[in-house]
Amino acid sequence: QQQVKQSPQSLIVQKGGISIINCAYENTAFDYFPWYQQFPGKGPALLIAIRPDVSEKKEGRFTISFNKSAKQFSLHIMDSQPGDSATYFCAASRRSGNTGKLIFGQGTTLQVKP
Amino acid sequence: GAGVSQSPSNKVTEKGKDVELRCDPISGHTALYWYRQRLGQGLEFLIYFQGNSAPDKSGLPSDRFSAERTGESVSTLTIQRTQQEDSAVYLCASSLLWTSNQPQHFGDGTRLSIL
Repeated sequence: QQQVKQSPQSLIVQKGGISIINCAYENTAFDYFPWYQQFPGKGPALLIAIRPDVSEKKEGRFTISFNKSAKQFSLHIMDSQPGDSATYFCAASRRSGNTGKLIFGQGTTLQVKP
Repeated sequence: GAGVSQSPSNKVTEKGKDVELRCDPISGHTALYWYRQRLGQGLEFLIYFQGNSAPDKSGLPSDRFSAERTGESVSTLTIQRTQQEDSAVYLCASSLLWTSNQPQHFGDGTRLSIL
């Protein structure tokens, strides 16, 4: 119930294309769903996050789509650029339990070809 | 400081030795988290601090792992009698508050290698 499942494990996209990464969860108590971007040798950096009362959130080229009934959410990267090549992690956390700990997916390595 | 700072950035030690990893969170952030990232894997939660207290230690893998936080600032993660399976990147994050919708800001981690 605490797991977040992420797919695909790796993704290759041409420059200008759309990158799509999917995540699924089981615990309906989760109420915060961030996406992190990580470059080699660096810590994860927050990209964008969504709450379950919203079905979509867009920030620049990055969009989160959220399907509460299916317990799934996805990251779309529009007009993908070589500089977007990185590892992306979805995560989830829940309000209760006196902790904001994040449960992470296994990560997706994105390569954007020029 | 401007961001979360971790030291050392790399640590190589022999099996059976003790190691201490340090985290300096963003000034004023009350919540501090430790995560572990094995090669090619996602991040695993270890422990969470609210102020100097640790209300959630559920992710610590064994009693060889301990952590403390002082002055509602610096935190130290200690691993005693290190084993090869402890090899990983240890990441620290801080957030302004503990609530679930608060962004967590990560340091660049300490890469720990056990020989």
